[in-house]
Amino acid sequence: EAQVTQNPRYLITVTGKKLTVTCSQNMNHEYMSWYRQDPGLGLRQIYYSMNVEVTDKGDVPEGYKVSRKEKRNFPLILESPSPNQTSLYFCASSSKTSGRRDTQYFGPGTRLTVL
Amino acid sequence: SQQGEEDPQALSIQEGENATMNCSYKTSINNLQWYRQNSGRGLVHLILIRSNEREKHSGRLRVTLDTSKKSSSLLITASRAADTASYFCATDAGAGSYQLTFGKGTKLSVIP
Repeated sequence: EAQVTQNPRYLITVTGKKLTVTCSQNMNHEYMSWYRQDPGLGLRQIYYSMNVEVTDKGDVPEGYKVSRKEKRNFPLILESPSPNQTSLYFCASSSKTSGRRDTQYFGPGTRLTVL
Repeated sequence: SQQGEEDPQALSIQEGENATMNCSYKTSINNLQWYRQNSGRGLVHLILIRSNEREKHSGRLRVTLDTSKKSSSLLITASRAADTASYFCATDAGAGSYQLTFGKGTKLSVIP
């Protein structure tokens, strides 16, 4: 089944404790992206990647890091989480194939609470 | 930067009625998409309309695009309780771009 998976789905942590949220897709998509969703603010893009070893900042990259060493994986790293990073996080991917590249496929979300 | 803005923020209708949601954006686009999100879940792609199209249909969904007004509307006909969800419009950053900018969404409640 074609899908985007994220782990963990729920995480409660404390300020300053490094964490990684994994994202994996099995559709051989070139493009992957991370968003955060907060009440009243909609979805905001954190980072995106056009292909392996190619990443770039989105609208709200501060406090986050990403890497794209393999095509299928795009982990989101919070080196020193703070309470303002409490949010619902989504990973998404899409293909370069003509006619398909505009549709993004979303993971189920990771609900992160930073105390 | 927030590109698409949906209106209204919340909409409550009776089952069987039509639901109309609007989206306005600020800069030129290549295409506009609508996504649906059930509470706390991932977004699901509904429909895409390109900048050279004015109207598109998919089942009970009808999307219009007015590039002169930089606006789009999503019409759901004969709504069902299962249509209860949040709906987001998303715009791209121009030709060749993969980036999408999402609005804040319209929360639709369909009352049985």
